[in-house]
This record gives sequence, structure tokens and C-alpha cells, in this order.
Amino acid sequence: DQQVKQNSPSLSVQEGRISILNCDYTNSMFDYFLWYKKYPAEGPTFLISISSIKDKNEDGRFTVFLNKSAKHLSLHIVPSQPGDSAVYFCAARGNAGNMLTFGGGTRLMVKP
Amino acid sequence: GAVVSQHPSRVICKSGTSVKIECRSLDFQATTMFWYRQFPKQSLMLMATSNEGSKATYEQGVEKDKFLINHASLTLSTLTVTSAHPEDSSFYICSALGQGGGAFFGQGTRLTVV
Repeated sequence: DQQVKQNSPSLSVQEGRISILNCDYTNSMFDYFLWYKKYPAEGPTFLISISSIKDKNEDGRFTVFLNKSAKHLSLHIVPSQPGDSAVYFCAARGNAGNMLTFGGGTRLMVKP
Repeated sequence: GAVVSQHPSRVICKSGTSVKIECRSLDFQATTMFWYRQFPKQSLMLMATSNEGSKATYEQGVEKDKFLINHASLTLSTLTVTSAHPEDSSFYICSALGQGGGAFFGQGTRLTVV
């Protein structure tokens, strides 16, 4: 049973527009959420995170929103740039340990 | 920021041989490291949790005799794929926990077994 789901396997956005990547989770014990960006044949790089006590965290062009009641988080990238094209993974961590549970990833393509 | 170095980045080996992959935290100590495997177009699958000075904890379905993990120091964990077969060909990634709670990833290792 997947505890972290990214229901959109791919997303195509025009350069300059907003990219919205969604992530849903089922485990109410998760208390920390992270977004990673991954290029082919490379390890994931950390983008932004949010604690369950917050509902929004912003860092430059990246903003993560958390809706605890809906068990839903989203990553907004604005404005989107061609260099943002990559696979984005959301991950969640429970308060019982340090293990990360990953979603399946969403491939973002930003068209010039 | 915290840096995790993984080596080698790419390795080709013959079926039946063993391959060792190293994961080092370069500027911080990591009592806990994780090993992941990624199949093409799939998510990262956690294989095992490596704890310094103790035995690794393997996820269900991962053969601990095949994927040997050694976390001998606070900056080094190794994954050895023993008696590799073509189905072991994959992209292996390690990560280490930083003090702030974030996970920092190595560059990954592309293993091809021929």
C-alpha cells in the first residue's frame, strides 16, 4: 500500500507559467515533508521541506503548501524555467524514525 | 551544505562477480545512512537502513545475503552486491541524514551486470 502518492506521472508547462506538482499521503504520523528534484542518472537533490506545524514554506521560486486535513501537499514553481525540467519526488518522514517514504515521482517538462 | 559522495558513479561487471559501492558523508557525521534502488521510470525504493556500528535493517523482499551493507564509521557506508546477476542491474543511491533532519543524497551508481 503506497503511503505517499503522486498521481500525475508527468506534467508539461510553458516557460514562465506556474508548475504545480501534487502529492497525497495516507499516514497521519508523517510530520515532515520534503521535495526532491532528480535528473537522469543523478541522485536526488533537496529542494524544499515543510514541517507539519506549518501550512506554507517559500524559497525563491519554490513554495510548498501543506493541507493536513486533506493529507495533501503541493509544490509550486513560478515562474517555471526550462532548467526545471526533471523528475520531482515528494517524500514524507514519520516521527517514529528517520526513514523517508517517497512518492512515485512526477516528470516535469518546461517548454521554452 | 552537506555533501554525500558516492563511488563509483558507473560500473559494469560480469555475472557472478561482486561489486562494492561506497557512500561517504564528506563534511558531517552520519549515524544513519540509507540505500535505495531505482528501476527505470520508477520511484526510489528503500532497500535498507544502515546504522553505524550495528547491523543494517533490510526492507521486506531485499536479500541481506546478496546486498551486504557495512557502516563501519560515521562517514562511510558500503553496499556490496554479491554474485551479481543481470537482474541486479539498476541505479543505486545512498543518502545520509544531516543534523537538521534533511536527507542528502549521493550521486548514484549505475550498475550494469553483463
